[in-house]
Amino acid sequence: QLRLQESGPGLVKPSETLSLTCAVSGGSITNSHYYWGWIRQPPGKGLEYIGSIFYDGGTFYNPSLKTRVTLSVDTSKNQFSLRLTSVTAADTAVYYCASDYNSVNYYYDYWGQGTLVTVSS
Amino acid sequence: DIQMTQSPSSLSASVGDRVTISCRASQRISIYLNWYQQKPGKAPKVLLYGASNLQRGVPSRFSGSGSETDFTLTITSLQPEDFATYYCQQSFSSPWTFGQGTRVEI
Repeated sequence: QLRLQESGPGLVKPSETLSLTCAVSGGSITNSHYYWGWIRQPPGKGLEYIGSIFYDGGTFYNPSLKTRVTLSVDTSKNQFSLRLTSVTAADTAVYYCASDYNSVNYYYDYWGQGTLVTVSS
Repeated sequence: DIQMTQSPSSLSASVGDRVTISCRASQRISIYLNWYQQKPGKAPKVLLYGASNLQRGVPSRFSGSGSETDFTLTITSLQPEDFATYYCQQSFSSPWTFGQGTRVEI
């Protein structure tokens, strides 16, 4: 059973860069059945896909965030990371990392607990 | 992007009720549709994938149906622990997109 754990600052200033890491345990990040994803949820609102990364570095990004988002993977540490530049208050959200498993179709089978990131000066 | 529209946005139900939530895709997505349950302060949990496949450990009172553009999540005999928000999500084409959610209240 996979476990995912997000880490990173809970407070980021406007115009700065949000950086989060997701540590994966209970399985290898190089498992070819998985992409590794980031999803966010503004307070009181719905879920928004940010992007996904494969262990070889292949990525998909949400076009609405693409110019500001970079995903990376570190197979030696079994973790993957999110960078979001030029943040504004609209980026305040709970950020989740999740494993995107390929079965009949892709679905998020394991999620981190989520980490609240607040953008404020 | 594929737009996912859920209905209703919220509903009130009682323990033992049969509940149905609809999800409509803005274009055909075959059966590449997942359902999640989210409780306050918690991460979402997958209930069904591929429109109708029950995830391991999920009670059989949850079921899903549909294909292409119209999908349904059904909960037979609603239990107290089922009061939550439910989301559909398509994984037919990137970016994956979610419905806006359906809140099931007592």
